[in-house]
Amino acid sequence: GENVEQHPSTLSVQEGDSAVIKCTYSDSASNYFPWYKQELGKRPQLIIDIRSNVGEKKDQRIAVTLNKTAKHFSLHITETQPEDSAVYFCAARIESGGSYIPTFGRGTSLIVHP
Amino acid sequence: SAVISQKPSRDICQRGTSLTIQCQVDSQVTMMFWYRQQPGQSLTLIATANQGSEATYESGFVIDKFPISRPNLTFSTLTVSNMSPEDSSIYLCSVDRGAGTDTQYFGPGTRLTVL
Repeated sequence: GENVEQHPSTLSVQEGDSAVIKCTYSDSASNYFPWYKQELGKRPQLIIDIRSNVGEKKDQRIAVTLNKTAKHFSLHITETQPEDSAVYFCAARIESGGSYIPTFGRGTSLIVHP
Repeated sequence: SAVISQKPSRDICQRGTSLTIQCQVDSQVTMMFWYRQQPGQSLTLIATANQGSEATYESGFVIDKFPISRPNLTFSTLTVSNMSPEDSSIYLCSVDRGAGTDTQYFGPGTRLTVL
């Protein structure tokens, strides 16, 4: 099955700096890569996603890049703010027998210091 | 988006008892997932539930311990049976609207503590 590795497990930055979280996946058939943000005590929420036919996608201060050849994708947050502090999960999804089963990374705890 | 509610939001249970968690969605969805998230950990898929068929369990999870019902396209239940302290965790349901859409939405979770 699919295996998703996520690094780093913890990332501490100063407000205004950029943050980058990286994930690798094992199954070249994976074709959809979402990123979720989970604030303390809350549910995971989708913040951005990318499909395998696209190399990069941006949404304001957030961007995601995908390298299909190397099988890795990254989340980039620019001009970080304290409210960006949360746990971020990457995921890779593959269609299997008509079902879409995502595999999640272990998560990155992002701490933005004011 | 999908509005998902779960009941109960939290519970404290005694060892050996069972708890049924309910998940209600505001619209019909094809697939519903049940996840477990232990403190500080990632999301572990327990099973996938499609309406009208048996749930599909992931490795390490069995129907006798985590029976699931999916009576219609907007509702599902997960039962945690014969609980032990190791079952203490957050249980989340999640939905995927199916073909043509990719976004997965999560419920607010049920925080379970087993004494």
